[in-house]
Amino acid sequence: QVQLVQSGAEVKKPGASVMVSCKASGYTFTGYYIHWVRQAPGQGLEWMGWIKLSSGGTNYAQKFQGRVTMTRDTSISTAYMELSRLNSDDTAVYYCVRDSGWFWGQGTLVTVSS
Amino acid sequence: QAVVTQEPSLTVSPGGTVTLTCGSSTGTVTGGHWPYWFQQQPGQAPRTLIYDTSNKHSWTPARFSGSLLGGKAALTLSGAQPEDEAEYYCLLSYRGAWVFGGGTKLTVL
Repeated sequence: QVQLVQSGAEVKKPGASVMVSCKASGYTFTGYYIHWVRQAPGQGLEWMGWIKLSSGGTNYAQKFQGRVTMTRDTSISTAYMELSRLNSDDTAVYYCVRDSGWFWGQGTLVTVSS
Repeated sequence: QAVVTQEPSLTVSPGGTVTLTCGSSTGTVTGGHWPYWFQQQPGQAPRTLIYDTSNKHSWTPARFSGSLLGGKAALTLSGAQPEDEAEYYCLLSYRGAWVFGGGTKLTVL
């Protein structure tokens, strides 16, 4: 069965960067895309972008362009999302999601606080 | 960027039927928007109920169904149960970019 396991919670200072990992299992890793979605406390879901796992090609939401980088390591079936220049508005739970049916990771809480 | 609209809140009686809708600021929602529906319980990750307009996962209760209705994507719940009280989000694709609706808080009362 499709399983996505994300890295643990992070606490970062304003201006720093954070990298969240997402290890996939239960399917052929490179056959799909991984999306990244975030949810600020008490707010709705926000799509951040996707990475095509076979080629590494990406498509970022306009809001995050220049600040987000999505990568993958096919040797260990893991996708990564790095967000830079963090501010308090970036405090949220970050989810990785496999496309074609949208299978969700458990989420990673990123807290930005001085 | 397109805006995806959902009813902010709806109420359904236990055993009743309710339809949640998902509209697009760009016009009619079609199958080409690959509509998705997600359910989120408080404190939990979302789970996918419906994908590509009307397809169900193995875990999707039979009482949920997806369709296109009146130019929008629709999620119909027939025979509501107390455990269906949750936030529901729709998602549409716009040529590779994806946009979530603001969510519908469904109360079963």
